[in-house]
Amino acid sequence: AQKITQTQPGMFVQEKEAVTLDCTYDTSDQSYGLFWYKQPSSGEMIFLIYQGSYDEQNATEGRYSLNFQKARKSANLVISASQLGDSAMYFCAMSEANQAGTALIFGKGTTLSVSS
Amino acid sequence: DTGVSQDPRHKITKRGQNVTFRCDPISEHNRLYWYRQTLGQGPEFLTYFQNEAQLEKSRLLSDRFSAERPKGSFSTLEIQRTEQGDSAMYLCASSFVQGAAEKLFFGSGTQLSVL
Repeated sequence: AQKITQTQPGMFVQEKEAVTLDCTYDTSDQSYGLFWYKQPSSGEMIFLIYQGSYDEQNATEGRYSLNFQKARKSANLVISASQLGDSAMYFCAMSEANQAGTALIFGKGTTLSVSS
Repeated sequence: DTGVSQDPRHKITKRGQNVTFRCDPISEHNRLYWYRQTLGQGPEFLTYFQNEAQLEKSRLLSDRFSAERPKGSFSTLEIQRTEQGDSAMYLCASSFVQGAAEKLFFGSGTQLSVL
């Protein structure tokens, strides 16, 4: 069965510093997708970044980058130059078979707190 | 683009009552998902629609749960005979496919409290 593990319940960082949020996954599929979502206190899940299992380059979206290490089955999120507005819950998720219309499997999340 | 809208934002009900939630997806999205999130956990998949067809249901979706998307636009999720264990945030998402990725856009959720 597929599984997402986020081992850091909480992370603390100062403004302008970079932070890495860890995510490991378990799957027997060769084709899959990896996602990161941000959930602020308002409750809405905000899509941040996507990495396909066959993508050779790490995905980047602005200040977000995904450090994809396929052999280690890890998909860590790196946020550069943290901002106060980055304080939120962050979820790593996986879709099976890299297909549309399939359920996303989420980890338990990491709470990020950014201080000034 | 007004985003995914969910109504109500909060619902408090007594055990045994029926509740219904509504989700209005982004208009050009043909796929719609329902997820449930309990405190300290990530969202868990409940069910999925492509247009008006319900294509997949999780084992989490007991017989007391029913979802519809009658015209392929908005969707409703009904819980009959609510139990305290149903207390959770119910999230709706709609999606489109961009390149190789299907990106889900979530609403702000409906927080259900069953007393």
